[in-house]
Amino acid sequence: NAGVTQTPKFQVLKTGQSMTLQCAQDMNHNSMYWYRQDPGMGLRLIYYSASEGTTDKGEVPNGYNVSRLNKREFSLRLESAAPSQTSVYFCASSDWPLTSGHNEQFFGPGTRLTVL
Amino acid sequence: AQKVTQAQTEISVVEKEDVTLDCVYETRDTTYYLFWYKQPPSGELVFLIRRNSFDEQNEISGRYSWNFQKSTSSFNFTITASQVVDSAVYFCALSVTAGGTSYGKLTFGQGTILTVHP
Repeated sequence: NAGVTQTPKFQVLKTGQSMTLQCAQDMNHNSMYWYRQDPGMGLRLIYYSASEGTTDKGEVPNGYNVSRLNKREFSLRLESAAPSQTSVYFCASSDWPLTSGHNEQFFGPGTRLTVL
Repeated sequence: AQKVTQAQTEISVVEKEDVTLDCVYETRDTTYYLFWYKQPPSGELVFLIRRNSFDEQNEISGRYSWNFQKSTSSFNFTITASQVVDSAVYFCALSVTAGGTSYGKLTFGQGTILTVHP
């Protein structure tokens, strides 16, 4: 039972390059999320997916796209990377909307992305 | 809109001291959940506790305790007899139900960096 996995762990891009961050969970959760963490700003929600086949914008969606490939996988794509996207990216999942669930989010180990 | 404020950016203590991390939240929803997460130097986020808005009982787990006060919109976290291994960034977070339209999204505070010196 791996929980939430993310690949890659580290990535360096040049401005304008594209890449996809992969995330998978094995807890049969309906909901998945992408956050970015920047110093002094906590974690901010980029996109989320409340169920397979649905995605929606969070607080800071500009410059990103997502795909909920199936119930397990939720990917984040940077089409044209910018230095402002240098950050640590976390994927998370939760059992929301189960009313019997605890709804806490389980996080992956993170991807440290640097855009030069 | 929801907001979580952790006014203490950094706290430094010596081992065995008690330390309290403050968390103040804002929401108009009457049903909500509050969380604390720990982020050790290795970088992962570790879930510590979840409270719902209807349960104001304080909770103690070993050296950790949490004080939830709706009257002051606060959910403070105390570590008793701190240890070097407690050094980490601690995040407070809020999730509202919003009639089922919140999708479990979390609003995080800025985090408090706790350093425990030997």
